[in-house]
Amino acid sequence: DAGVTQSPTHLIKTRGQHVTLRCSPISGHKSVSWYQQVLGQGPQFIFQYYEKEERGRGNFPDRFSARQFPNYSSELNVNALLLGDSALYLCASSLGVGAYEQYFGPGTRLTVT
Amino acid sequence: RKEVEQDPGPFNVPEGATVAFNCTYSNSASQSFFWYRQDCRKEPKLLMSVYSSGNEDGRFTAQLNRASQYISLLIRDSKLSDSATYLCVVNMYSSASKIIFGSGTRLSIRP
Repeated sequence: DAGVTQSPTHLIKTRGQHVTLRCSPISGHKSVSWYQQVLGQGPQFIFQYYEKEERGRGNFPDRFSARQFPNYSSELNVNALLLGDSALYLCASSLGVGAYEQYFGPGTRLTVT
Repeated sequence: RKEVEQDPGPFNVPEGATVAFNCTYSNSASQSFFWYRQDCRKEPKLLMSVYSSGNEDGRFTAQLNRASQYISLLIRDSKLSDSATYLCVVNMYSSASKIIFGSGTRLSIRP
């Protein structure tokens, strides 16, 4: 069975641009979460979606937004990119919210120049 | 104070040794707990959930102490392949999810 997939694998953008990252969850999983990970730190929670509704949000500015589609795939959008947005963006899927285990995709490595 | 704290290590232990990590959390409303391992430049992989009664999976044992607000991971008979960063995760879910990862503990197993 396919695991969590993310696209693109790598991305280079310029300050001020916009980026869209995509995630497809494990088949049967209805929840997708997004994380940002910079070198030397643990992943930082950005959003969690379940059944197309936002069910949690971390401490990120409004430049970050996301949505979940009827097929449970998800997009993370970041506007007005800053150099500090350079990071590994991870998507995780789970059956639901709360105590459900999350399974991560390979991530999208974003570099902002 | 960070909401979830881990000793960053590195822990450098010989093959076959037993090693233990702790992870403390500050919010008593925390509801679910997990351990992940992460290899260099890879995604985190679920190691195990942590239950109130404690749980074991082969050489790995996880414990939860709600009174002292910490979780622990014990690795017995460590293997070279156990070298990784170990991340603890706390989920404070009520009406909304708040999922917090620790910064990770680096473990290096030497031959």
